[in-house]
Amino acid sequence: DAKTTQPPSMDCAEGRAANLPCNHSTISGNEYVYWYRQIHSQGPQYIIHGLKNNETNEMASLIITEDRKSSTLILPHATLRDTAVYYCIVRVAWGLTGGGNKLTFGTGTQLKVEL
Amino acid sequence: DVKVTQSSRYLVKRTGEKVFLECVQDMDHENMFWYRQDPGLGLRLIYFSYDVKMKEKGDIPEGYSVSREKKERFSLILESASTNQTSMYLCASTGGPGELFFGEGSRLTVL
Repeated sequence: DAKTTQPPSMDCAEGRAANLPCNHSTISGNEYVYWYRQIHSQGPQYIIHGLKNNETNEMASLIITEDRKSSTLILPHATLRDTAVYYCIVRVAWGLTGGGNKLTFGTGTQLKVEL
Repeated sequence: DVKVTQSSRYLVKRTGEKVFLECVQDMDHENMFWYRQDPGLGLRLIYFSYDVKMKEKGDIPEGYSVSREKKERFSLILESASTNQTSMYLCASTGGPGELFFGEGSRLTVL
């Protein structure tokens, strides 16, 4: 799986958009970009994933650059409850035989949303 | 809602003890995972299983073993616990692409 690079920490004012970057310059053509977050003392929670088109759901938007070497997770109106560690992961699609379905996490970005 | 349940939130064991961490999921998922999480190191994959009785090593399998006798249950075993295995252990499952469902975690302290 391709390696990702994220800033260790970011701050955001409540109500503003939080834009979390991720570099994945070695991503392969069949690798997806996944985002998870982990609120303190809880298990990680899935947010969104995409291949090359931008994606949006009720939680966030995912913008992937045209060359797919980087992406940005956007929380459009951050709240205090969005304070968490955000993980960007790239991996091939599921459905491979044997051990293809593993997901490798890095250290993520600690997002702090403040008043 | 999908539920991944880990048997214990907090455990305290002594060095050399055998430790079992149990994980059960209720959505008939094929794939189950065990991670450990330590400050500054993120989540690291210990073992995963893609079917009953099938398992593969993750990135840090040393000192651990696993058991998957039934589809819904994935156990992590520390044959002889050591202090460097003090950590938060997270179980997860998924049936397909996209979403990995995590349990609440088991915080193990080895004295």
